[in-house]
Amino acid sequence: RKEVEQDPGPFNVPEGATVAFNCTYSNSASQSFFWYRQDCRKEPKLLMSVYSSGNEDGRFTAQLNRASQYISLLIRDSKLSDSATYLCVVTGTGTASKLTFGTGTRLQVTL
Amino acid sequence: EPEVTQTPSHQVTQMGQEVILRCVPISNHLYFYWYRQILGQKVEFLVSFYNNEISEKSEIFDDQFSVERPDGSNFTLKIRSTKLEDSAMYFCASSDRSSNQPQHFGDGTRLSIL
Repeated sequence: RKEVEQDPGPFNVPEGATVAFNCTYSNSASQSFFWYRQDCRKEPKLLMSVYSSGNEDGRFTAQLNRASQYISLLIRDSKLSDSATYLCVVTGTGTASKLTFGTGTRLQVTL
Repeated sequence: EPEVTQTPSHQVTQMGQEVILRCVPISNHLYFYWYRQILGQKVEFLVSFYNNEISEKSEIFDDQFSVERPDGSNFTLKIRSTKLEDSAMYFCASSDRSSNQPQHFGDGTRLSIL
């Protein structure tokens, strides 16, 4: 089983649509969870941290279910500028803990 | 907003040559990382560095690789004898505290081995 698993997509949605991405992780000891965004051939950029209580940042809502080892990201009112690859990322334990990345889910928002 | 900077943006090297990739982490950060991304694949962890020593390294980070923080601001990745399969984007990242904090990435060095 992959450490972090995501549907690679692509998800093609019209502007204004709501789209949801899911991710599962295999290590139950994982400590922290993030969604990063990556544009083509660019660096990963932090989109948001993910908490068990769920958290929202504008049009973006993230949710963590530790029991199911499942993370989600919901994007409302999609914009053309949301087109990117969304990376599900988890950390382990310990000092200077590495990030483990999923392969990413590609989103294409169209007119 | 402070950022992680990497140089060069693109490095082309003959197979077997040594290459040094440079990074300047965010100034008050204490934890430093190198990752790589082969074209079309996921981002992979190479090494983490804290308190002037390696904290963790992956299977990829073999004897051909080394890291150094020579002067308190730069953080370098050296590949001693490059192979074709080392061709990838190399990202440096830093964070100000340990595992629960997000890491901030530089814009990467594209390494092309001929």
